[in-house]
Amino acid sequence: EAGVAQSPRYKIIEKRQSVAFWCNPISGHATLYWYQQILGQGPKLLIQFQNNGVVDDSQLPKDRFSAERLKGVDSTLKIQPAKLEDSAVYLCASSHPMSNEQFFGPGTRLTVL
Amino acid sequence: AQRVTQPEKLLSVFKGAPVELKCNYSYSGSPELFWYVQYSRQRLQLLLRHISRESIKGFTADLNKGETSFHLKKPFAQEEDSAMYYCALSGIQGAQKLVFGQGTRLTINP
Repeated sequence: EAGVAQSPRYKIIEKRQSVAFWCNPISGHATLYWYQQILGQGPKLLIQFQNNGVVDDSQLPKDRFSAERLKGVDSTLKIQPAKLEDSAVYLCASSHPMSNEQFFGPGTRLTVL
Repeated sequence: AQRVTQPEKLLSVFKGAPVELKCNYSYSGSPELFWYVQYSRQRLQLLLRHISRESIKGFTADLNKGETSFHLKKPFAQEEDSAMYYCALSGIQGAQKLVFGQGTRLTINP
């Protein structure tokens, strides 16, 4: 089966600009996660979707970050405006709703200058 | 609070030597524990989970609830084991977020 797809793989922007990341989960996986991984740290959950509904966005900086999964399949994560501290790898993962095994995409490496 | 601690950022052992990557956790309730691995230029992938009680690529991990630990062990390290290893936990019910440790970079020297 095809894995989790993410694009772009790399993005360089200046602070205060906006950026968007896209994720397409494994077919049939109703649960989708966005994680932020800062250099030297483990991934940290930003937001979790079940179909098109938000399950957990408690660690999403809502003043600048937004995410949507309108049709319950692919998802977009947006940052507007970006700050220097947003430089990180943004990982998308998906899972079957009855399973704790998550499958990760390759990630998008964001550099904010 | 949910927390995973991996005390070693870097670990270097020689090929054929035993390896142990440490993981301690705190969680109110009964968590599910995982080890994820990221090889060079590859995506993060599941190595093993405590409920399956499997040995994957020669690695094993036993959940010790008394010591709240889930250490990863392999009796004879191989060069292809060099990678970044992350310990993680989640709630036991399906489709819950993962809480990760900071990771341990394992290097196997020839």
